[in-house]
Amino acid sequence: GDSVTQMEGPVTLSEEAFLTINCTYTATGYPSLFWYVQYPGEGLQLLLKATKADDKGSNKGFEATYRKETTSFHLEKGSVQVSDSAVYFCALSEGRGSTLGRLYFGRGTQLTVWP
Amino acid sequence: DAGVTQSPTHLIKTRGQQVTLRCSPKSGHDTVSWYQQALGQGPQFIFQYYEEEERQRGNFPDRFSGHQFPNYSSELNVNALLLGDSALYLCASSTRTGNPYEQYFGPGTRLTVT
Repeated sequence: GDSVTQMEGPVTLSEEAFLTINCTYTATGYPSLFWYVQYPGEGLQLLLKATKADDKGSNKGFEATYRKETTSFHLEKGSVQVSDSAVYFCALSEGRGSTLGRLYFGRGTQLTVWP
Repeated sequence: DAGVTQSPTHLIKTRGQQVTLRCSPKSGHDTVSWYQQALGQGPQFIFQYYEEEERQRGNFPDRFSGHQFPNYSSELNVNALLLGDSALYLCASSTRTGNPYEQYFGPGTRLTVT
């Protein structure tokens, strides 16, 4: 079945450091891939997405490239800020009718950025 | 434009009781999905409603049931509560006529079962 595996946390970085959070997936079809962010006490916010192989999603300085050959969608940011401290979830959604719109999430990676 | 709203924000129940959680989707959205997020875990899909019918269901027992109303709002009902039902319950809305991949999440309802 479909699943997402993401890098175990927590991740602790100093401000302006480079961030990578690894995500790999298993899917039977051609899924769309997402990164969601969850700030303390809040729901999930869509950070970025990619709907087909080689697409690069980007938002707020974060980037992730859909790599079909390695079934990966790693999240990167060149210079993190304290305000980026949150939990990050990698997710996938199949485009098939019976599972349309259903999201499969990884376990989440807690990121803490120190000034 | 109001986003996805959920009520109540927090809820404390006792084992064996029943609970109803409510969700209003984002304006223009017709599909509502419910997720359970246990502490330290990723959200797990419970079910999805479209046109007032359950369209998909995750691996959850029949104690979890739902409903969608003509105005697209939705309820999640959980019967015979167990301690393990303590979690953050998230509602997400989307549209089948637009981009079904883009789901907007509400802030969640924190359920504590004692």
